[in-house]
Amino acid sequence: DGGITQSPKYLFRKEGQNVTLSCEQNLNHDAMYWYRQDPGQGLRLIYYSQIVNDFQKGDIAEGYSVSREKKESFPLTVTSAQKNPTAFYLCASSGTGGVGNSPLHFGNGTRLTVT
Amino acid sequence: DAKTTQPPSMDCAEGRAANLPCNHSTISGNEYVYWYRQIHSQGPQYIIHGLKNNETNEMASLIITEDRKSSTLILPHATLRDTAVYYCIVRVAYQGAQKLVFGQGTRLTINP
Repeated sequence: DGGITQSPKYLFRKEGQNVTLSCEQNLNHDAMYWYRQDPGQGLRLIYYSQIVNDFQKGDIAEGYSVSREKKESFPLTVTSAQKNPTAFYLCASSGTGGVGNSPLHFGNGTRLTVT
Repeated sequence: DAKTTQPPSMDCAEGRAANLPCNHSTISGNEYVYWYRQIHSQGPQYIIHGLKNNETNEMASLIITEDRKSSTLILPHATLRDTAVYYCIVRVAYQGAQKLVFGQGTRLTINP
């Protein structure tokens, strides 16, 4: 079945360490996205990528970095510069058939805890 | 950017129709209404979307008012597995990409 795989489901890190969250999709989607969700809140956009080797900052990009070397993969690095990294991170992808024909498909998230 | 307003919570009896309202009074003519739901600790699941006309799929029906300022998601025969947070979202333009602005959603509880 096609879908989006995020790994690991739970991740624990010490403060000051960088950590990379994996996101892989086999939907042949061009666009990929990273969102962050805090308890009781909606989703906030961190980064997005329309095509390979191109990505753009979202609303809360500070302290994060991404790469898009392959169409299928869009890893997110949470750096030590991110002041409040503990959160639920969601990766999504969409096709490029126009907004009316390309809803976002989400992975099941990675819950990052930094102590 | 258009914003949406949803009731924070709703209850529905199992087997009955669940009707979830959403207000989007500032929606633009070319903006779509999308509905997603999120079960605890999982990623949001796409349900349905529409522009002007009512839409139906295997999961739900979407009723959009003629002035497009509000919509209703209908789960025709709610089951316990439909308990989730439901998000009504309006598609906005953001530097050419698809940015969905998520509000707080409606926490729907299906009671046996």
